Parts: sequence; C-alpha cells; structure tokens
Amino acid sequence: DAKTTQPNSMESNEEEPVHLPCNHSTISGTDYIHWYRQLPSQGPEYVIHGLTSNVNNRMASLAIAEDRKSSTLILHRATLRDAAVYYCILGRGEGGTSYGKLTFGQGTILTVHP
Amino acid sequence: GAGVSQSPSNKVTEKGKDVELRCDPISGHTALYWYRQSLGQGLEFLIYFQGNSAPDKSGLPSDRFSAERTGGSVSTLTIQRTQQEDSAVYLCASSLRRGSYEQYFGPGTRLTVT
Repeated sequence: DAKTTQPNSMESNEEEPVHLPCNHSTISGTDYIHWYRQLPSQGPEYVIHGLTSNVNNRMASLAIAEDRKSSTLILHRATLRDAAVYYCILGRGEGGTSYGKLTFGQGTILTVHP
Repeated sequence: GAGVSQSPSNKVTEKGKDVELRCDPISGHTALYWYRQSLGQGLEFLIYFQGNSAPDKSGLPSDRFSAERTGGSVSTLTIQRTQQEDSAVYLCASSLRRGSYEQYFGPGTRLTVT
C-alpha cells in the first residue's frame, strides 16, 4: 500500500493560517487523499478528502499537487481547538484488499499558541 | 443528531478474563468498523462489517478476538482470555456506505488489563 510522510510536529499561533504538508510519492491513480484529526482524548474526526482537484469545506482546504505526490491541509485561521494530531491517509479505490480501511500513520502533532 | 456511542467508556479487567465492548453506530449507517489505539502500535484496523456481507476480519490480532453485529446495527467486540498487551483504546466507527473513508468515530473504550 502507498505510504504517506508527514512532519512529526508543527506549531502555529492562534488566528494565523496553518499549512500541514503530506508526501505520498507512491500514490496510485485511484487513491483518494483523506485527512483526519484527533483531539486529545477523543476519537479521530474526518476533516476533508480529495482526488485531484483542490477542495474546500467548513473545516479546512485541501491543496493537491498537480502530480498528486503531495498535498497540503490548510487551516485558514487556527484556533486553540485546532490543536490535535493530523493524519494524512490514502484511501485505496474499490476492489483493493484495503478498500474502506483507514491506515493511520504517526500524523503531525499541531500545537497552537495563544 | 446522535453520533457513534460506545460502552463502557473505561474497563479494567484482570488478565485471563473475557470482556465485551459495545458500539452503537449512527442510525442508517450500513458500514461499521473497529479499530484500536495503543501506545506501541498507533491506530490500527481490526474488523469491518458491511450490511449482510461476511465481515472483513483481516485485522484481528488473534483468535481471542471476535466481533458480531446484530440486526445490522449494534456491534459487540469480544476479547477472550485478555492479556496485558490487549490494553488499548478500542474505537468504533461507522459510515453511510460500504467502502466510504468518511468514517465517524465514537469516543472509544479504554481497556486496561491488569
């Protein structure tokens, strides 16, 4: 299965934008890029996903490189509540043995300073 | 609306005892997943139910682990003859349809085996 690489940790100040990078150089054509986050003492929370085009929702934006070998999760204005572990996950397309199963890596620990 | 609920929230058991963990998925969600999160292994997939299809048990670590889903709704994860290495947070998630990577997680059950 294709793997993702993320920095272990990042820091941001409140009210500032945050760009969380993810490398996935072995991504296949049918892999979707998913982002989850996990706040302290909670289960993971879906954030956003995309295939080729950039995506926006109420929580964040996802910028996908043209060659799809990397992506960036963008939090436009970080708040203290955004402090969490952020996971970048590739979702294999239908028909693969890993279809539907989330494979979590170590993620990026985001610290937000007041 | 109501999210995924799990019970109990915490469970302490003695080594060798059996435990049952319960998950109530979001109403109308046809797919249900169990994951566990431990310090040494991170967040790992255990088992996946989709409607009336046979479950995908490929992530279960040993035959001491089993799960069932009754009536396409509530699921129970059973661990027999618990071992200390079973100590972890057991997370349940559900999704609207088979293969969806947009999964909604419950708060988890923290299992401690003494």
